[in-house]
Amino acid sequence: GAVVSQHPSRVICKSGTSVKIECRSLDFQATTMFWYRQFPKKSLMLMATSNEGSKATYEQGVEKDKFLINHASLTLSTLTVTSAHPEDSSFYICSARGGFDGYTFGSGTRLTVV
Amino acid sequence: AQTVTQSQPEMSVQEAETVTLSCTYDTSESDYYLFWYKQPPSRQMILVIRQEAYKQQNATENRFSVNFQKAAKSFSLKISDSQLGDAAMYFCAYRSIDNYGQNFVFGPGTRLSVLP
Repeated sequence: GAVVSQHPSRVICKSGTSVKIECRSLDFQATTMFWYRQFPKKSLMLMATSNEGSKATYEQGVEKDKFLINHASLTLSTLTVTSAHPEDSSFYICSARGGFDGYTFGSGTRLTVV
Repeated sequence: AQTVTQSQPEMSVQEAETVTLSCTYDTSESDYYLFWYKQPPSRQMILVIRQEAYKQQNATENRFSVNFQKAAKSFSLKISDSQLGDAAMYFCAYRSIDNYGQNFVFGPGTRLSVLP
């Protein structure tokens, strides 16, 4: 079946630093990937949609300069949290369009900013 | 814009019993997909079941079945013979069928506990 690998699964970074999260489709090409943020005990909120070879589309209220998205190939999208602050601590999940059931989710990344 | 509502923040069921999770949604579209996703403590999103709105027949996957009422915009999930491994957060989700690359709209989730 379709697999989306998300790395790292957990990361702790210092306030003010940047951290990159990778989302990779392992056995299919994903022209479109989505990035979600999930607060504790809350639902998934779409942050942005990334299309291979073009600029990402950000949802209202999401700072595009803070959350940099790059989708340089058909199998890889990255989310970089720049100048991270404690309020950026959250669970981030990617989803790729493709695979058997149409969309496949990564296993998520727990970001803690200290 | 579409919205998805899950009115039960938490539910519990005895092992081997049946439980129904509720979901309602709002949309002006006539064709769309509806989903139930399970998120266990590992946080991995796992597809439980999918329903195409243009299909009248309710989807079924082993112990999981849905009651899809299009006119009422209701999409409930029934879990039969509940198992301890069914304990998780369950999210109801909507997705448009028309737009290429359309994203999901998720409900707030229902936390299901399975009691031994």
